[in-house]
Amino acid sequence: EIVLTQSPGTLSLSPGERATLSCRASQSVSSSYLAWYQQKPGQTPRLLIYGASSRATGIPDRFSGSGSGTDFTLTISRLEPEDFAVYYCQQYGSSSYTFGQGTKLEIK
Amino acid sequence: QVQLQESGPGLVKPSQTLSLTCTVSGGSISSGSYYWSWIRQPAGKGLEWIGRIYTSGSTNYNPSLKSRVTISVDTSKNQFSLKLSSVTAADTAVYYCAREEVIPNYYQYGMDVWGQGTTVTVSS
Repeated sequence: EIVLTQSPGTLSLSPGERATLSCRASQSVSSSYLAWYQQKPGQTPRLLIYGASSRATGIPDRFSGSGSGTDFTLTISRLEPEDFAVYYCQQYGSSSYTFGQGTKLEIK
Repeated sequence: QVQLQESGPGLVKPSQTLSLTCTVSGGSISSGSYYWSWIRQPAGKGLEWIGRIYTSGSTNYNPSLKSRVTISVDTSKNQFSLKLSSVTAADTAVYYCAREEVIPNYYQYGMDVWGQGTTVTVSS
């Protein structure tokens, strides 16, 4: 099973700042199978990025994904108040999905 | 606009079988190239993928749950279902169903449609 480790566990930033979230895999992951989700309290996860770098429909361009192999990054260029949430990376491999444990992005 | 809705008992006794259904509206479950997944989330914790079923009916399961999970599809009702046997308190969670468009063995477009989730508590 591929383990995804997200860092940091909690990220404290202010609106307008840049956020960089990391997702590291225990073994190489196909970029075609790497996604990022946002989840706010009491809400359903929302797809942000698929294929490591493609934005899902309706996702603002301040969200971007990058990376390959075992290291992937989600960047939010300028934080808006509505971006404070928990973010999960997800991979598919060997007929199974795994999620990272999540990064909580909180207002500083 | 495709929508998903989970349904099923909110309380299940230990050792029994948890059964949930996800009803697809706004589109046909058998059209296109989609995987239909079940994911769960214990209170205050992260997401855990349970398993998925393809438009054709083929399935994949989380290896850690595989011995207890069955996912099936009923195209006549536009539904897919989850059965999780021999439940314990550790299976208490919010259960979500979700859709993902794929190009089999080549590309996946992420889980873009989710149900609102249903809370299942395992307790006697």
